[in-house]
Amino acid sequence: DIQMTQFPPSLSASVGDRVTITCRASQNIGYSLNWYQQKPGEAPKPLIYTASNLETGVPSRFSGSGSGTDFTLAISSLQPEDLATYYCQQTYRRVAFGPGTKVEIK
Amino acid sequence: QVQLKESGPGLVKPSQTLSLTCIVSGVSMTSGGYYWGWVRQHPGKGLEWIGYIYNTGSSYSNPSLQSRVTISVDTSENQFSLKVTSVTAADTAMYYCARGNNAGQSKDYFDYWGHGTLVTVSS
Repeated sequence: DIQMTQFPPSLSASVGDRVTITCRASQNIGYSLNWYQQKPGEAPKPLIYTASNLETGVPSRFSGSGSGTDFTLAISSLQPEDLATYYCQQTYRRVAFGPGTKVEIK
Repeated sequence: QVQLKESGPGLVKPSQTLSLTCIVSGVSMTSGGYYWGWVRQHPGKGLEWIGYIYNTGSSYSNPSLQSRVTISVDTSENQFSLKVTSVTAADTAMYYCARGNNAGQSKDYFDYWGHGTLVTVSS
């Protein structure tokens, strides 16, 4: 099975800060990595698919990069509405989610 | 507009079978390039993939749940279902259904999700 790790588990940043979240796969998954945002009390919502493609309707301050085993989600200028938990997901072999990164606003 | 909606009992007794249905609207489940999945989330925890199914009926499940999970599809009703047998308190979770999209451009992700349904296992 492919295992996914994320770090940090949580972070607190100010509005306007650049935030980065890292996701690591236990083996090479190419570009088969997606990112989701889950706000409190809501279902997850896709942000980035295939490592770096922005889902329709997602603000351009979100971006994804990486390949192989190491991937990054970046928020260029953190906004109050970005309070959420962010999950990475591999679909290279079946499906597995990372443990999540909780983003709080200072 | 694609919509998915989970339905089923909110309370299941230990050792019984949990049964949920996901009703899909706005798209035909016979359309190519999609698959139909289930994800759960234990209270205060992260997302756990349960499994998914294609409209052909081919299905794949999380190895940790495989022996207890059955996913089926009814394209005539545009819905798919999840059964989890021999449930325990550890199966108490929010259950989400979602559409998997692998229609071109190397896409392969869950692009539409239901709102989720909370299932509690308790006597």
